[in-house]
Amino acid sequence: AQSVTQPDIHITVSEGASLELRCNYSYGATPYLFWYVQSPGQGLQLLLKYFSGDTLVQGIKGFEAEFKRSQSSFNLRKPSVHWSDAAEYFCAVGARGNTGKLIFGQGTTLQVKP
Amino acid sequence: NAGVTQTPKFRVLKTGQSMTLLCAQDMNHEYMYWYRQDPGMGLRLIHYSVGEGTTAKGEVPDGYNVSRLKKQNFLLGLESAAPSQTSVYFCASSYSKVVSEAFFGQGTRLTVV
Repeated sequence: AQSVTQPDIHITVSEGASLELRCNYSYGATPYLFWYVQSPGQGLQLLLKYFSGDTLVQGIKGFEAEFKRSQSSFNLRKPSVHWSDAAEYFCAVGARGNTGKLIFGQGTTLQVKP
Repeated sequence: NAGVTQTPKFRVLKTGQSMTLLCAQDMNHEYMYWYRQDPGMGLRLIHYSVGEGTTAKGEVPDGYNVSRLKKQNFLLGLESAAPSQTSVYFCASSYSKVVSEAFFGQGTRLTVV
């Protein structure tokens, strides 16, 4: 079955430090992969997506993610975290079939220390 | 540029009451979805629609019904609310039958007491 795992429920980093959020997926073919961010009390906003091609994808707000097929991973990175990056981050994979359904991971809450 | 709009934003229901959540999108998207978000469980798909007049069950459909009478609207109904339906509900839409970016509403926080 398709699934997404985000191993880290909470992560705390200092402002200015680098960030890596982990995402592992289970999928039998080439996956469509997404990272969304949810600020407190808000809806989900797309940070970046991978459909095909270059395995390093750039997103908004200075985020990037790398697709590694051999490790079934799609980790999100940012070289220098800002206090405004504190939020919940969701990794998702597109479900099989032409329906646009998404399967989400459990989410990772990022706290940024001043 | 409204995007996806959900109504209401907050609601408190008593057990056994019914209600309807409304989702409206102005992007002419074919595909619409209802998810629920619970702590530690991410978002789980309740029902979805691949076009006007169509609906289908998602991962957690029990206790919910949906309708898509107009392309721009997707309604989620709770006929007899239960405390287990306390959650944050998100509507989303997308424009392609191949997996594409989904656009999300702001969410509806529902508490069933």
